[in-house]
Amino acid sequence: DGGITQSPKYLFRKEGQNVTLSCEQNLNHDAMYWYRQDPGQGLRLIYYSQIVNDFQKGDIAEGYSVSREKKESFPLTVTSAQKNPTAFYLCASSIDRTGPYEQYFGPGTRLTVT
Amino acid sequence: QKEVEQDPGPLSVPEGAIVSLNCTYSNSAFQYFMWYRQYSRKGPELLMYTYSSGNKEDGRFTAQVDKSSKYISLFIRDSQPSDSATYLCAMSRNSGNTPLVFGKGTRLSVIA
Repeated sequence: DGGITQSPKYLFRKEGQNVTLSCEQNLNHDAMYWYRQDPGQGLRLIYYSQIVNDFQKGDIAEGYSVSREKKESFPLTVTSAQKNPTAFYLCASSIDRTGPYEQYFGPGTRLTVT
Repeated sequence: QKEVEQDPGPLSVPEGAIVSLNCTYSNSAFQYFMWYRQYSRKGPELLMYTYSSGNKEDGRFTAQVDKSSKYISLFIRDSQPSDSATYLCAMSRNSGNTPLVFGKGTRLSVIA
């Protein structure tokens, strides 16, 4: 089956620890994105990548890091510098980096930091 | 002014009603408009995608874009309890390489 997978579905960490969220797609899409969703806040863009080995900061990149070493994979690391890391994290991909964009989303990872 | 405004609701309607969901936007450069449906604790799924102004229909769903008013709508006919979800509008410019800008979503409940 083609699609976007995110793992794990639920993740629990202690404050001060870095944590990496996985995102894999087998759709052969060029571009990939990470969003954060908080209640009442909608989707906020963290980072995006239009091509392997390249990525750009979104609106709320502070405290996060990414890599794009393979077309299929775009992991997100939530560092200890992120002040409020507890949230629902969504990965997405789109077919053509030149647009227009029809983004397809993964099932999400709910991160809880205590 | 935020780039995309969407009433968060919640909106509660009886089964069979016609539902109207709306977004306004401020950036006249937006050319591509999308509606996503998100069930609780799930990723958003793409419902409708339109380019520029006009209407697009898909089954019980109709998307409308009025670029002169900077206003987009999603209509759901014969609403069903399974339509209960959060609906997110999203849009992008025509220049490519531009991430989507999302509304905050409207929570809809269809009561049987």
